[in-house]
Amino acid sequence: DAGVIQSPRHEVTEMGQEVTLRCKPISGHDYLFWYRQTMMRGLELLIYFNNNVPIDDSGMPEDRFSAKMPNASFSTLKIQPSEPRDSAVYFCATPRDRGFTGELFFGEGSRLTVL
Amino acid sequence: DQQVKQNSPSLSVQEGRISILNCDYTNSMFDYFLWYKKYPAEGPTFLISISSIKDKNEDGRFTVFLNKSAKHLSLHIVPSQPGDSAVYFCAATTGTYKYIFGTGTRLKVLA
Repeated sequence: DAGVIQSPRHEVTEMGQEVTLRCKPISGHDYLFWYRQTMMRGLELLIYFNNNVPIDDSGMPEDRFSAKMPNASFSTLKIQPSEPRDSAVYFCATPRDRGFTGELFFGEGSRLTVL
Repeated sequence: DQQVKQNSPSLSVQEGRISILNCDYTNSMFDYFLWYKKYPAEGPTFLISISSIKDKNEDGRFTVFLNKSAKHLSLHIVPSQPGDSAVYFCAATTGTYKYIFGTGTRLKVLA
C-alpha cells in the first residue's frame, strides 16, 4: 500500500484564487481527516469523514473552505477565494486499522503559500 | 481555546542525554494520549501512546508518562540521538479519532 497520497506537494497562488488540495487515502479505511499545520496553532483538525460522509466540520475556519469525499478513494479540500492567512501545510490522514487503535497515517502534506 | 498545550517551542539536548518533552491538557474527559514525530517536508508519524488507565508506557528508548491529577504528560527519550531531531506533537482524544494536537516542540539533538 502506498500510504496516504496528497497533491500538490507545493502550491503558490495569489490572493483571491481558488485552491484545490487532493488526497487519496489508504484503501479500506472508513475515516479520513484533514488537518492544517501552522506555527501558531500547531495541527488543527479541519474536518473528518466517515464512510464518505462529513461528520464534523467545526474546525473549518470559514465558508471559504469546503471539503468533499465523493468516494472512498478520493477527497478534496477547496479554498475559494484564498487569502494570505490560509498559508499553511495541509495534511490528510487515515487510521491504520478499522478499529480504534489510535494511530493515524498522515500524508506528506500540501504546502500552500498565498501571496 | 487550546485544550492541549506544549509550552516549550524548542529544546536542545546533547546526544546521549535524556530529552524530556512536556504536554499539558485541560479537558478531563481526554482518555487517550499520543505522541507524533514530524520531520521537515514529511507528515507526522505515530510514536507512542498511552491510555488514561495507565501512568507509563515504554517502547524502546521512548517512554510516555501520564499524570492525570496534574493533567500532564511527558515524553522521555533516552538516550537521545541526532536522528531524534524533529518536531514532536502531543495529541489527546476522548476515545475517538477526533484528536486535539498541541503546537509542537522542536527537538534538536546535538552531536
